[in-house]
Amino acid sequence: GESVGLHLPTLSVQEGDNSIINCAYSNSASDYFIWYKQESGKGPQFIIDIRSNMDKRQGQRVTVLLNKTVKHLSLQIAATQPGDSAVYFCAENRPRGGKSTFGDGTTLTVKP
Amino acid sequence: DAMVIQNPRYQVTQFGKPVTLSCSQTLNHNVMYWYQQKSSQAPKLLFHYYDKDFNNEADTPDNFQSRRPNTSFCFLDIRSPGLGDAAMYLCATSRDQGDYEQYFGPGTRLTVT
Repeated sequence: GESVGLHLPTLSVQEGDNSIINCAYSNSASDYFIWYKQESGKGPQFIIDIRSNMDKRQGQRVTVLLNKTVKHLSLQIAATQPGDSAVYFCAENRPRGGKSTFGDGTTLTVKP
Repeated sequence: DAMVIQNPRYQVTQFGKPVTLSCSQTLNHNVMYWYQQKSSQAPKLLFHYYDKDFNNEADTPDNFQSRRPNTSFCFLDIRSPGLGDAAMYLCATSRDQGDYEQYFGPGTRLTVT
């Protein structure tokens, strides 16, 4: 259930497996990146962020990796649970702009 | 404890009939945003307020206006809704401009008949 490198609009994984969701961002000047989770009928919810002076950041069960060379961001979810089923968006902020530009979402489905 | 509140959650309006969506926040954040989201697409920023300063996105139609009478409240006015304006409208806040995450409300789903 893992996919590295390529952005996929949908990803289906077995409960307990690890998930990797990929995102390509557009602007090499972007210096702050955020992953959001959006459940059906709800607004996006912050998961984890990373600044451009880092290449990895870990949270609880989630890790974000940043590769500035190829402008690529990934979100790794360990031991995926049914409650992780949602649409995941990456967002990039440009310096001093304060605005987030959202990438295409990935719909994660966790099979029991 | 809701921090970003949107009312109503569902709004039905008629083609061409003005409609106002409202957003309030209890976070005392400086920045408030309005996004339009269609069918699991990425949220599309319409405009944002940094305190009282209004910032419109270049491709936001004139049909969409916004007001922020005070720190806590922000309104989205659609002057003459078309069928293509049917969407989820998301309000968000952030503490300040720069490296801060956004806090989203639950959204208002607008139907245009």
